Amino acid sequence: EIVLTQSPATLALSPGERATLSCGASQSVRARYLAWYQQKPGLAPRLLIYDASKRATGIPDRFSGSGSGTDFTLTISRLEPEDFAVYYCQQYSSSPVTFGGGTNVEIK
Amino acid sequence: ELQLVESGGGLAQPGGSLRLSCVGSGFIFNSQAMTWVRQAPGKGLEWVSSISGNDDNTVYADSVKGRFTISRDNSKNTLYLQMNSLRAEDTAVYYCTKPSWNYEGDWFDPWGQGTLVTVSS
Repeated sequence: EIVLTQSPATLALSPGERATLSCGASQSVRARYLAWYQQKPGLAPRLLIYDASKRATGIPDRFSGSGSGTDFTLTISRLEPEDFAVYYCQQYSSSPVTFGGGTNVEIK
Repeated sequence: ELQLVESGGGLAQPGGSLRLSCVGSGFIFNSQAMTWVRQAPGKGLEWVSSISGNDDNTVYADSVKGRFTISRDNSKNTLYLQMNSLRAEDTAVYYCTKPSWNYEGDWFDPWGQGTLVTVSS
């Protein structure tokens, strides 16, 4: 199975700053089949990005995804107070689907 | 609005059983693949099982194969997860979610609110 490694584990930033989250895959992710989710405490994950760079319905354009092969990035251009949360990447290139361990974006 | 609502979680003893349910609304349930994903306390997300829209095909994580059974009743817009031979490591919040299209692997949206399963004596 494809193992996804997210870095850093924790990212401490201030509102208004730029956040760059990384997701590395143990094997190439076919056709850029990678998604990103946001999860806040006590709530279900919310889809942000699919197919590596396509924003889900209703997701603000400050969220963007990029990458291919084994290296993917989620960028939040300017952090809003509601963006502080845990972010997970997920690959659906091969079975079983797998998730990364998460990056916690916390307030500095 | 697409909505998924889980129920059936609770406390079970090791070796015991529980059945989770998930009711879907706002979409044509019987044509959609469905999936269960779990999250142990303080941990990340783990895919558990998926089922195709017509109920003919199911897949399971190795960690639950032979113990869990996914099924659906399309007349009731309901997805199930029968969990037998429960272990402490099955303790988690279980989420019901909808793959975009492919039951064997896809992105997931929306997600239910989750139901907590605790396995303890």
